[in-house]
Amino acid sequence: EPEVTQTPSHQVTQMGQEVILRCVPISNHLYFYWYRQILGQKVEFLVSFYNNEISEKSEIFDDQFSVERPDGSNFTLKIRSTKLEDSAMYFCASDLRGGQGEQFFGPGTRLTVL
Amino acid sequence: AQRVTQPEKLLSVFKGAPVELKCNYSYSGSPELFWYVQYSRQRLQLLLRHISRESIKGFTADLNKGETSFHLKKPFAQEEDSAMYYCALSSNTDKLIFGTGTRLQVFP
Repeated sequence: EPEVTQTPSHQVTQMGQEVILRCVPISNHLYFYWYRQILGQKVEFLVSFYNNEISEKSEIFDDQFSVERPDGSNFTLKIRSTKLEDSAMYFCASDLRGGQGEQFFGPGTRLTVL
Repeated sequence: AQRVTQPEKLLSVFKGAPVELKCNYSYSGSPELFWYVQYSRQRLQLLLRHISRESIKGFTADLNKGETSFHLKKPFAQEEDSAMYYCALSSNTDKLIFGTGTRLQVFP
């Protein structure tokens, strides 16, 4: 069964550094998402992406964040200058239909900012 | 404001006991409600959604618009049901709004 994959599983970085989190959505899916979960807190929506552009973004998704689908398979989240409070589990998800279809989640990337 | 509330962080039951995981939501329109589950060392996955009205692994959930609730129920819990359960709401956009989750522990 096809799955969403994410790399790396764990990323450690220094405050102020740029990080790129990578995701490979399920191949025929058209809608892509990033969520994050700070330790002990709820899973929070960051951004949705469809047809090569952002559909919606949350207040968390400020100018430090960007997303890209550089080729037909990868979907990346870039944090330009990491802060301590960016430490969290970042989940990628994809969806075939969007609009309240089933979202398929990746295993997550744990980002630790020192 | 769109919000999902799961009042219990932890629910512990013995095998064979009934289970009810509570979920309340706040949304002005007609939401779509979901239950996602995360088993130990596995990814988040959809358990069930209210529009399909089906029972998955013995779990059911009924949307009560009057009480703005979507509680997850199972008459007889099994040890393999131990997991983290998240109630989620989807509005007229694609994003999911999650509750804080309830950890279900089923003891033998």
